[in-house]
Amino acid sequence: EDQVTQSPEALRLQEGESSSLNCSYTVSGLRGLFWYRQDPGKGPEFLFTLYSAGEEKEKERLKATLTKKESFLHITAPKPEDSATYLCAVQKGNTGKLIFGQGTTLQVKP
Amino acid sequence: NAGVTQTPKFRVLKTGQSMTLLCAQDMNHEYMYWYRQDPGMGLRLIHYSVGEGTTAKGEVPDGYNVSRLKKQNFLLGLESAAPSQTSVYFCASSLPSGRGGEQFFGPGTRLTVL
Repeated sequence: EDQVTQSPEALRLQEGESSSLNCSYTVSGLRGLFWYRQDPGKGPEFLFTLYSAGEEKEKERLKATLTKKESFLHITAPKPEDSATYLCAVQKGNTGKLIFGQGTTLQVKP
Repeated sequence: NAGVTQTPKFRVLKTGQSMTLLCAQDMNHEYMYWYRQDPGMGLRLIHYSVGEGTTAKGEVPDGYNVSRLKKQNFLLGLESAAPSQTSVYFCASSLPSGRGGEQFFGPGTRLTVL
């Protein structure tokens, strides 16, 4: 069965304290792995797409990496404005359907 | 560009009532999706469409119907609302997965069924 699992469920960091969020998946025929950010009361906002093992993408303080079994979202020197829920999703088939993990809620304290 | 918009933003229904949620996108995307988001359950796909006039079932389609009469609009209907359908509903749209495929989400509709 296709499954996406994110850990930890919640993460509290001090401003400037770097860390990583994990997304592990078991999916046959992976076409892409997506990271989204979701602020309270809003829709998910696209961050990255990774297509193959070894691929990395960066945006400001965020860096996403992909292996054959998992993806990491590294947050370097986070700021309070990075506080949000981060969602991981995998895509299979050619219909664009996504299978989401349950998310990691990040809180960065000043 | 408004992106993806959803109407209404909030709604309270009584059990057995019906309603339609409207999603509109101005990005000329072929694919559109309806999700529900519940605490601890993540986002789950209800129905989706890969083009005007076509729809298909997702992971949790029971109790919902959809229509895609125009490329830019995707409607989600609840014929007889139940308390289990209390949730936040998100619409999304994308190009076909071979051309990027990232989904763009609307702001959500918060539905409460009493």
